[in-house]
Amino acid sequence: EAGVAQSPRYKIIEKRQSVAFWCNPISGHATLYWYQQILGQGPKLLIQFQNNGVVDDSQLPKDRFSAERLKGVDSTLKIQPAKLEDSAVYLCASSLMGFGEKLFFGSGTQLSVL
Amino acid sequence: GQSLEQPSEVTAVEGAIVQINCTYQTSGFYGLSWYQQHDGGAPTFLSYNALDGLEETGRFSSFLSRSDSYGYLLLQELQMKDSASYFCAVRDGADKLIFGTGTRLQVFP
Repeated sequence: EAGVAQSPRYKIIEKRQSVAFWCNPISGHATLYWYQQILGQGPKLLIQFQNNGVVDDSQLPKDRFSAERLKGVDSTLKIQPAKLEDSAVYLCASSLMGFGEKLFFGSGTQLSVL
Repeated sequence: GQSLEQPSEVTAVEGAIVQINCTYQTSGFYGLSWYQQHDGGAPTFLSYNALDGLEETGRFSSFLSRSDSYGYLLLQELQMKDSASYFCAVRDGADKLIFGTGTRLQVFP
């Protein structure tokens, strides 16, 4: 069974530039999550989708971050414009509906904002 | 507010037993999960407790006390490959997971 796919693996940009991350969840997983993990900290939930609807985006900085999940499958997370404090690993995860205790994570995108 | 507290670091030797504690304060609670994350890797699921008591999965066990808002992960017969960060995570709401700050475990030969 294929896992959660994410790209790119690494990204280096300058502040005020824009960047986008892509995620393809495990087939059949209705719930998709984007987490931000700053070095030395636990993952912080940015946004949660169920199928193609947003369940929770309370911690998403909406003035610069946006996310979408078209057709309830793939998802993209965008940052525009990026700030230095956005340097982190962006993790995508998916789960079966109703099994939110067991998330399957992708390898993440390591973002460096210079 | 919501908070999950864990020790920042724990060290042990191969073959030993180590316990990683987690105390939580959240607005809702469905259960407590544990994840392992090696440096540069993705978090991977270890265990889940929805009810009070001990759950055993091989060398790893997890315990929950809902009345004390407390849980722990017990790792037995430690191996070098167990060196990693361990996160507790509260299932707050039907499918929402809130992670703790993480405990870095270093296993020495």
